[in-house]
Order: sequence, then structure tokens, then C-alpha cells
Amino acid sequence: DTGVSQDPRHKITKRGQNVTFRCDPISEHNRLYWYRQTLGQGPEFLTYFQNEAQLEKSRLLSDRFSAERPKGSFSTLEIQRTEQGDSAMYLCASSSRWEDTQYFGPGTRLTVL
Amino acid sequence: EDKVVQSPLSLVVHEGDTVTLNCSYEVTNFRSLLWYKQEKKAPTFLFMLTSSGIEKKSGRLSSILDKKELFSILNITATQTGDSAIYLCAVSSSLGYGGSQGNLIFGKGTKLSVKP
Repeated sequence: DTGVSQDPRHKITKRGQNVTFRCDPISEHNRLYWYRQTLGQGPEFLTYFQNEAQLEKSRLLSDRFSAERPKGSFSTLEIQRTEQGDSAMYLCASSSRWEDTQYFGPGTRLTVL
Repeated sequence: EDKVVQSPLSLVVHEGDTVTLNCSYEVTNFRSLLWYKQEKKAPTFLFMLTSSGIEKKSGRLSSILDKKELFSILNITATQTGDSAIYLCAVSSSLGYGGSQGNLIFGKGTKLSVKP
């Protein structure tokens, strides 16, 4: 399967703990995006990478959030000191540089107790 | 501020009905409009529209864009229970040199329920 993959699919954590999610994009795509989706809302943009460079960050991405894509392949999204408001589906997507169509992974559902 | 508004937010129909979903947008430097289908998991791509008046069609689904009036519609004919999903509209904007801005701006989606 050459689609976007994410790990884990589900994560339950206690408030104050740190969590890390991984995304593996479609192999030939050099752009990778992170979105957050809560119930009843469309996905909201968090950040994106072109190769290993983080080109844009949303103001939604507080200083507790950090994302990396060290070798321009997979990416990680870390949330430090989780809060209940962080509970959401975290979606990763990828695309080629000149293509608008983004292909989404299955998402990681985070529940903060 | 850039925004995408979808209507209705929810819709219940019976199998065989035809539905029209609406998407209006206000975006600086519009580049393209995309439709996705989401069934309890990741959004799956349906259509990308860049030019006004040119219908995109795939089976029972079709979509068209009006760049003058800043809206798009998604039509589903002869609906089936498998069409039950949230349909998301998203817009891409461009940078000054024509490249893609990067992020997509999504509407809240239309939740379609098709009853047998």
C-alpha cells in the first residue's frame, strides 16, 4: 500500500503527559501537512513541510506543539503537557509541490483524560 | 480572513433521491477548490476544480465551479446508502508567483444521511 500512513491510530493519555504521532507520506510526495479535526468541524491546518523545511505554522500551533521532518520523509508531531482541549483527530496529508490535491492518512485519534 | 461555508450542514434523504451540496468561499488569491468525502476516517479525494463552468463527473457524482459568484456545487444522483458521509469542501490559495500556498481551508462539511 503506497498511501499515507499514521501511527498510532488511537492514543489515550492523561492530562499533562507528552504524546508523539508519526506520519509516513506517499513516497514521491515532498510536501507533508498536519491538520486537526474536532467533532462537527472540518480539518484545521496546523503546519506543513516541503522536504525537511517547515514552511508554515498556524497560530493554532501553540508552543506545546512541535513538528519535525528531519530527513524529508516521515514526520512526527509532538504535543507536550497535553490538555483536554487537545482531544481531536490529528490528520496527516501529503502532496507533490505543484499539486493542490492532498491525500490524507487515516488519522490519529487523541483522547486526553 | 479566508473562509469556506458549506450548506446545508446536514441532510437526510431516501435512496434514489438527488442531492445538491453547496460551498461558497472568500479566499485571497484563489487557486483551486476541492471536494472530499469523509466516512468516519480520513477524507478521500473526489474532485479538484480550477476553471469556471467546466463540470467534473465521476459516476453519479458531479461538481461545477463558479468563480464569478465564488461557489461550487456537488451533485449526487440516485443516492445510495453508501453515499452516507460527510462531504468536505476545501479551497487552495496561491502565492504571488503562482505556486500553491500549501494549506487547504476547509468548510465544516455537509453530513449526508441516505435512508434505505
